[in-house]
Amino acid sequence: NAGVTQTPKFRILKIGQSMTLQCTQDMNHNYMYWYRQDPGMGLKLIYYSVGAGITDKGEVPNGYNVSRSTTEDFPLRLELAAPSQTSVYFCASGESYGYTFGSGTRLTVV
Amino acid sequence: GESVGLHLPTLSVQEGDNSIINCAYSNSASDYFIWYKQESGKGPQFIIDIRSNMDKRQGQRVTVLLNKTVKHLSLQIAATQPGDSAVYFCAENISGGYQKVTFGTGTKLQVIP
Repeated sequence: NAGVTQTPKFRILKIGQSMTLQCTQDMNHNYMYWYRQDPGMGLKLIYYSVGAGITDKGEVPNGYNVSRSTTEDFPLRLELAAPSQTSVYFCASGESYGYTFGSGTRLTVV
Repeated sequence: GESVGLHLPTLSVQEGDNSIINCAYSNSASDYFIWYKQESGKGPQFIIDIRSNMDKRQGQRVTVLLNKTVKHLSLQIAATQPGDSAVYFCAENISGGYQKVTFGTGTKLQVIP
């Protein structure tokens, strides 16, 4: 049972480039989440999904987009990367308040 | 500002002693509180949760206490071990769905061998 798998683990982007952070879960959870974690800070919710085809904005959605075509996958798209998007990104899933998190993607925008 | 906050950013504890990590919250509408552990370079890991209609809940070596009168939450770790070294986050949920969880900034627990 892999849980929540995120790829890539590390990435360096130039300002203005775009990329997709991949997230897959094999627990058949309807609820999935994307968070960002800045150094020494807690987690901020970017987007979430309550099921395939349904997504909604979290606390810090600007500069990001998501899609949820299947229960398993919840990719996060960054368009026109900016230095302010340098962060560690975590995907999570869960059917309760105890989420299962992936190991994260460390993104640096230069 | 942050609705969920922590009293101490870093806590150092001798191996074998008990650890107490504190957390304050400000939203009276919060109905669920969750503790996560995050080891260096890893994603957060769920530890224990407590519903607002409870004042205590115990797990394996951990106890969470909730004082709604002063809006205070604590995580107690018994017989702290080196493997407990991590950042601990409290989080709160405002009633209305699993997605409405707000995380605090975290407390770093350092276990001294």
